[in-house]
Amino acid sequence: NAGVTQTPKFRVLKTGQSMTLLCAQDMNHEYMYWYRQDPGMGLRLIHYSVGEGTTAKGEVPDGYNVSRLKKQNFLLGLESAAPSQTSVYFCASSIPGEGATYNEQFFGPGTRLTVL
Amino acid sequence: GQNIDQPTEMTATEGAIVQINCTYQTSGFNGLFWYQQHAGEAPTFLSYNVLDGLEEKGRFSSFLSRSKGYSYLLLKELQMKDSASYLCAVLDSNYQLIWGAGTKLIIKP
Repeated sequence: NAGVTQTPKFRVLKTGQSMTLLCAQDMNHEYMYWYRQDPGMGLRLIHYSVGEGTTAKGEVPDGYNVSRLKKQNFLLGLESAAPSQTSVYFCASSIPGEGATYNEQFFGPGTRLTVL
Repeated sequence: GQNIDQPTEMTATEGAIVQINCTYQTSGFNGLFWYQQHAGEAPTFLSYNVLDGLEEKGRFSSFLSRSKGYSYLLLKELQMKDSASYLCAVLDSNYQLIWGAGTKLIIKP
């Protein structure tokens, strides 16, 4: 199993450009998440999905959109990139429920995005 | 608001023991996680506590006191490969993870 994969690994954008980050998981997990990680700060939740066709806003959703058309894929879009969106983006997936086995989040390798 | 505090950086010597503390104030509690994150890599799961007490897993142990809103991660027989950031995260009443900023652990020979 590949686990959680993310594409691309690196990207440089100019202010105002758009792009889509792709996350894929092959563990049949119900829940998927997009985080951003900035120096000196904890992981911050951007959007998440509790199942195919459903999405919800996290802590810092402004400037981002998401879609979950297939259970295994979760896409993060930036419509008009801004320098404040320079960050490392992590996708994660998990199965809901009680106990570590079901709430443990599995992370992808991350995407390093720079917006000039 | 929700808040998780942990030290920014700690230094320890190879072969020694180090304790990384985490205090939290969250809306509800459904468990506390510790993750390890090496520089430039993704976080990986270390431990999960939902009941008070100590959970031991090899060289790593994690302790939880729900009444005090407190946890610690204990690393024994430190190795150079343990140099990493250690992230504390609490599962709140909505089953969402609230993350601390992480503790960067530096191991010296």
